[in-house]
Amino acid sequence: DAGVTQSPTHLIKTRGQQVTLRCSPKSGHDTVSWYQQALGQGPQFIFQYYEEEERQRGNFPDRFSGHQFPNYSSELNVNALLLGDSALYLCASSLKLTETQYFGPGTRLLVL
Amino acid sequence: GNSVTQMEGPVTLSEEAFLTINCTYTATGYPSLFWYVQYPGEGLQLLLKATKADDKGSNKGFEATYRKETTSFHLEKGSVQVSDSAVYFCALSKENSGYSTLTFGKGTMLLVSP
Repeated sequence: DAGVTQSPTHLIKTRGQQVTLRCSPKSGHDTVSWYQQALGQGPQFIFQYYEEEERQRGNFPDRFSGHQFPNYSSELNVNALLLGDSALYLCASSLKLTETQYFGPGTRLLVL
Repeated sequence: GNSVTQMEGPVTLSEEAFLTINCTYTATGYPSLFWYVQYPGEGLQLLLKATKADDKGSNKGFEATYRKETTSFHLEKGSVQVSDSAVYFCALSKENSGYSTLTFGKGTMLLVSP
């Protein structure tokens, strides 16, 4: 039973560029959440997708956007990258109406 | 709003020592509480959870009890191993219109020496 997978594992971008991160949820899960984890900090909630719609959003600017596909996989897009966007981006999957989220290994983004 | 406060680390212990990592929370209503563990260079793994007051979550020798009266969910283990060295995150989950999101503490690093 495959767990949550994310790609790529590492990414280096320069300021102003755009980036797309990808996530495949755990088998049987239908809800995907994205979190940003800065170095030495706890993860911060970005947004959550269910049935291809954004259902909840944390305190992140509109430069952060996402998408969920019919197969429940998801993308996180960040436009106009800033140095402060450098972080580990974590994807978590769950079943709607349940609280337990399972995390992927993350994508480490470095913005130069 | 919701928040989680954890004791600052690093916590440095010798193998077989007793571990306590303190966690307190602020939330309206009755959140569910979680402990996640992050090994170096990896994502988060669910360690244990508790969904209501006085519940005890346990896994791999770790345990934590949901204390509503003190709004706490302290993590304990009777005898730590070197392989337990990692960062531990306390988190709460609040449901909103059928959707739940996690609020994390800043994490506590545990270093266990042989």
